[in-house]
Amino acid sequence: EDKVVQSPLSLVVHEGDTVTLNCSYEVTNFRSLLWYKQEKKAPTFLFMLTSSGIEKKSGRLSSILDKKELFSILNITATQTGDSAIYLCAVPLYSGGGADGLTFGKGTHLIIQP
Amino acid sequence: DTGVSQDPRHKITKRGQNVTFRCDPISEHNRLYWYRQTLGQGPEFLTYFQNEAQLEKSRLLSDRFSAERPKGSFSTLEIQRTEQGDSAMYLCASSLSVRSEQFFGPGTRLTVL
Repeated sequence: EDKVVQSPLSLVVHEGDTVTLNCSYEVTNFRSLLWYKQEKKAPTFLFMLTSSGIEKKSGRLSSILDKKELFSILNITATQTGDSAIYLCAVPLYSGGGADGLTFGKGTHLIIQP
Repeated sequence: DTGVSQDPRHKITKRGQNVTFRCDPISEHNRLYWYRQTLGQGPEFLTYFQNEAQLEKSRLLSDRFSAERPKGSFSTLEIQRTEQGDSAMYLCASSLSVRSEQFFGPGTRLTVL
């Protein structure tokens, strides 16, 4: 069965710390992996990763994919209280009908303490 | 605002009643998805439309659930004879193509009493 596993499920750090969030996956017909940030509302898109070993970066956030070991990490440096959120990892499941519904992990609940 | 919109944002209903939610995707997106999210879980895929055609339904979508996208623009999700287990956040997303990211709406939070 296809699955996406995130760790840790929760993490509490102090402002200014660096955090690394993990996502491992077991899916057939892998094509991409996505990271989303969810506060008290809908998930907002962060990164889409398709190629192994190429880091994607946006400000203090960065992510990289390892297709051989089937995992991805999301790094946040110099964390701020506004980074507090649930970070979701997802992989599209491609069916013969062309659908690509996302399978999500349970998310990492990140809390940044001032 | 040209993002995905959903209506209503909150719905409280009694068990056994029918409810209908609406989703308006980003205007140029022909792919539309419905997800359900419960507390402590990531969103779970329910169904997918490409234009007006419903091309995939998850096994999570019981016979009490029906979704439509009649003109290939907005979509509705109806739940008949609601049960307490249907209480969840219902999220809609849209995307431009099969290899592009999905953008999510704010969701409809359903509470079944």
